[in-house]
Amino acid sequence: GAVVSQHPSWVICKSGTSVKIECRSLDFQATTMFWYRQFPKQSLMLMATSNEGSKATYEQGVEKDKFLINHASLTLSTLTVTSAHPEDSSFYICSASSGEWGTEAFFGQGTRLTVV
Amino acid sequence: AQSVSQHNHHVILSEAASLELGCNYSYGGTVNLFWYVQYPGQHLQLLLKYFSGDPLVKGIKGFEAEFIKSKFSFNLRKPSVQWSDTAEYFCAVNLYNFNKFYFGSGTKLNVKP
Repeated sequence: GAVVSQHPSWVICKSGTSVKIECRSLDFQATTMFWYRQFPKQSLMLMATSNEGSKATYEQGVEKDKFLINHASLTLSTLTVTSAHPEDSSFYICSASSGEWGTEAFFGQGTRLTVV
Repeated sequence: AQSVSQHNHHVILSEAASLELGCNYSYGGTVNLFWYVQYPGQHLQLLLKYFSGDPLVKGIKGFEAEFIKSKFSFNLRKPSVQWSDTAEYFCAVNLYNFNKFYFGSGTKLNVKP
């Protein structure tokens, strides 16, 4: 299957700082990228869907000013957690698809964010 | 709101036992359905998917799933599990025209050798 690379795998940051997570599709053009958050022992919660070149669509309850998503190219999307707080500590996962409805999505390995 | 329910949170089986993991979704429109697996320390990988046609779909490693539209279900099955099937399994729904993936809460499968 296609490869999606997420970086970094883990990050520790101080409260109040911002953290950027990158998601790259290595061998295909990802028209659509998804960002998820996974709490311990819970499912993947869809945060937002981004299409290349346009603004991300956020799920209800997700603060768009706190979780900035940029999808500037067909191979790269970034999630920036701004002014991070301890409650933002979580596992963030990106996935990418070619955008056609029904196409499977390929997943990155996830980023463990710890805010201290 | 759309939701995906996986009823079994943790399943423990002995090798060679049969497996069935339940998945139900709540969405009245057209959907595509997926099962993903996450082996320890690895990222999510696709097991199988249903788009249209035969509601019984076969995936990798001997897994299969049956889409029953009237029951909004897409249960995963395997006739005889192996120790290497120990992993977490996620059901996912992709909504027509929205291209969003919603996931169930996952089922941890532990196969005892």
